Amino acid sequence: EVLVVESGGDLVQPGGSLRLSCAASGFPFNIHWMSWVRKAPGKGLEWVANISPDGSAQFYLDSVKGRFTISRDNARNSLHLQMDNLRTDDTAVYYCAGSVHYWGQGTLVTVSS
Amino acid sequence: IVMTQTPLSLSVTPGQPASISCKSSQSLLHSDGKTYLCWYLQKPGQSPQLLTYDVSRRSSEVPDRFSVSGSGTDFTLKISRVEAEDVGVYYCMQNKELPTFGQGTKVEIQ
Repeated sequence: EVLVVESGGDLVQPGGSLRLSCAASGFPFNIHWMSWVRKAPGKGLEWVANISPDGSAQFYLDSVKGRFTISRDNARNSLHLQMDNLRTDDTAVYYCAGSVHYWGQGTLVTVSS
Repeated sequence: IVMTQTPLSLSVTPGQPASISCKSSQSLLHSDGKTYLCWYLQKPGQSPQLLTYDVSRRSSEVPDRFSVSGSGTDFTLKISRVEAEDVGVYYCMQNKELPTFGQGTKVEIQ
């Protein structure tokens, strides 16, 4: 059974930091590109960042470049998103996704004073 | 790559067909011969679920009333007979380059 479980979402003030984690099982984690995708309230889905199977390549949405860092630990089948200098428009449910197939239930990040 | 869906909302009678159009600003045909177009359904309160990938390949457990046609820049998702469980927001997504989604099409049952 495939399981993808995100954690780390919270309420944080503008300018603050948060680290999201994703634990995956039930599929060959180390051969898949992994992504973070978000859905802000009242808006559609938006891809945020992805990372190659071996972790050597990372790509980011322009609006998060320099503020977010994606990383992975293939030994632990885990994915992370370090989010710094958060802004109110980063408020969203953040989903971890394995290639296009495997999605978690999401974790809520709220940026508000 | 900009993805444009039409319509943005759809009200359908159960048992009737429905279709959603998705157009991309560039061809989604990759040099490897594959066309990188997916469709997702996000049901209320749930995470997105993959319906189809590589244009027309259905994900496991997706009923065959869902089908996709098209090539290049123009694609259509068709539901042959809409059921109550099909309500939600449908998104097309390209992953030929850095992934981008369409705006979403909200499907309701009349």
